Amino acid sequence: NAGVTQTPKFQVLKTGQSMTLQCAQDMNHNSMYWYRQDPGMGLRLIYYSASEGTTDKGEVPNGYNVSRLNKREFSLRLESAAPSQTSVYFCASTLGISNQPQHFGDGTRLSIL
Amino acid sequence: GESVGLHLPTLSVQEGDNSIINCAYSNSASDYFIWYKQESGKGPQFIIDIRSNMDKRQGQRVTVLLNKTVKHLSLQIAATQPGDSAVYFCAENSGGSNYKLTFGKGTLLTVNP
Repeated sequence: NAGVTQTPKFQVLKTGQSMTLQCAQDMNHNSMYWYRQDPGMGLRLIYYSASEGTTDKGEVPNGYNVSRLNKREFSLRLESAAPSQTSVYFCASTLGISNQPQHFGDGTRLSIL
Repeated sequence: GESVGLHLPTLSVQEGDNSIINCAYSNSASDYFIWYKQESGKGPQFIIDIRSNMDKRQGQRVTVLLNKTVKHLSLQIAATQPGDSAVYFCAENSGGSNYKLTFGKGTLLTVNP
C-alpha cells in the first residue's frame, strides 16, 4: 500500500526556471493538499483540492499553481522559481467526508539558486 | 510553546521516562485535533486524534488531552523509547467541509539512552 507518493524527492533549480511537483494517492481520497515546510515555520498550506474538479488557495499561494488532474493526482507548479521558494514540499490527502487525519507523502526537497 | 526564530522548542528525556508535549491552539471553533510525528527526512506520520466532544483519548503508549477552556492540547508518551525521537506537531481543523488543518510549529523530542 503506497499511500501518498511524491516525485521527485530532490530537485535543484535556477531562478526563473519552471517545475511541476507530482503527487498521487491510492487511497481513494477526495481531498488533497499541498504544504511547504520551512525551519521554524511549521507546515503552511499552499493550495488544496476539496474534491476532484475544485481547487482553492491556502495560506501562501503566491508564485504557485495547481492542477487536480483526476481523483488520484494533484500537481503543484512553480512557473518562475525564486530563491524564497526553497523549501520542503509535502502533499497530503484525506477522505474528505468527515474529520479524519491527513496522510502525507515523504516530501520534495527543492533548492532554488 | 512558541518557537523563537528558527529554533524549535525542545524536550529532552531519559529512555523509559514519560514525555509530555504541549500545544496551544488558536481557534475556539476548532472541532478536531491531531498529533503528528515527523522523523528526519520523512513526512508527518499520524499518531492520534481527538474530537472536541472529548477531553481524553488513549492509544498505544500515547494519550491526548484536550482542554477547550484554555485552548490547550497535550500529548503524553509513556515509557519513551529512542525511536520516539522526532519532531511532534499538533494540528487543528477550524471547521468547514474542506477539512483544512492549521499546524503548530512543532516540538523536538530527544530521548537519551
